[in-house]
Amino acid sequence: AQTVTQSQPEMSVQEAETVTLSCTYDTSESDYYLFWYKQPPSRQMILVIRQEAYKQQNATENRFSVNFQKAAKSFSLKISDSQLGDAAMYFCAYRSSGNTPLVFGKGTRLSVIA
Amino acid sequence: DTEVTQTPKHLVMGMTNKKSLKCEQHMGHRAMYWYKQKAKKPPELMFVYSYEKLSINESVPSRFSPECPNSSLLNLHLHALQPEDSALYLCASSQEGTGAKNIQYFGAGTRLSVL
Repeated sequence: AQTVTQSQPEMSVQEAETVTLSCTYDTSESDYYLFWYKQPPSRQMILVIRQEAYKQQNATENRFSVNFQKAAKSFSLKISDSQLGDAAMYFCAYRSSGNTPLVFGKGTRLSVIA
Repeated sequence: DTEVTQTPKHLVMGMTNKKSLKCEQHMGHRAMYWYKQKAKKPPELMFVYSYEKLSINESVPSRFSPECPNSSLLNLHLHALQPEDSALYLCASSQEGTGAKNIQYFGAGTRLSVL
């Protein structure tokens, strides 16, 4: 079974600075998808960014980018120019290439300091 | 539009009550999901519906009864719940299929308290 590990329960960053959240996963599959979801206090899980394993190029979405290292099974999220609204719980998630459910990590709580 | 709407936002119920949670999406998605989330924990999958048929039931107690009346609606019927069932219940939907378009979009959840 696939597992997702987020080793940082909590992180903090100064406003306008850059922070990197770590995620590693374990799988024997070669084709899969990886996601970062954000869950602010408002509770809604919001998709931040996704990465297809077959793509070598790292995904980017505005201030959010990933460092995808397939051989190392690592999928970190970099947030640049951090804003107060970035404060939230961030979940890393894995999905197999089949029509299978998401496997979530335990989450990292990010605080942004003004 | 990537909106999944859940009602009610908050629900308080006694252990003998019967209540229902509702989830609606109009994105044409044919897969819908129920998750349970305890505080400071990741969501735990409960049920998956695919083309209005139950495809995954993660050994959820029978006091939770899902229903998918049509492709846009997903209900979760609750009966004789226990205090430990208090949690945030999240609904999600996605396109069917195995490819990159199978992205789950979540609702804002229903905060359930069982007294």
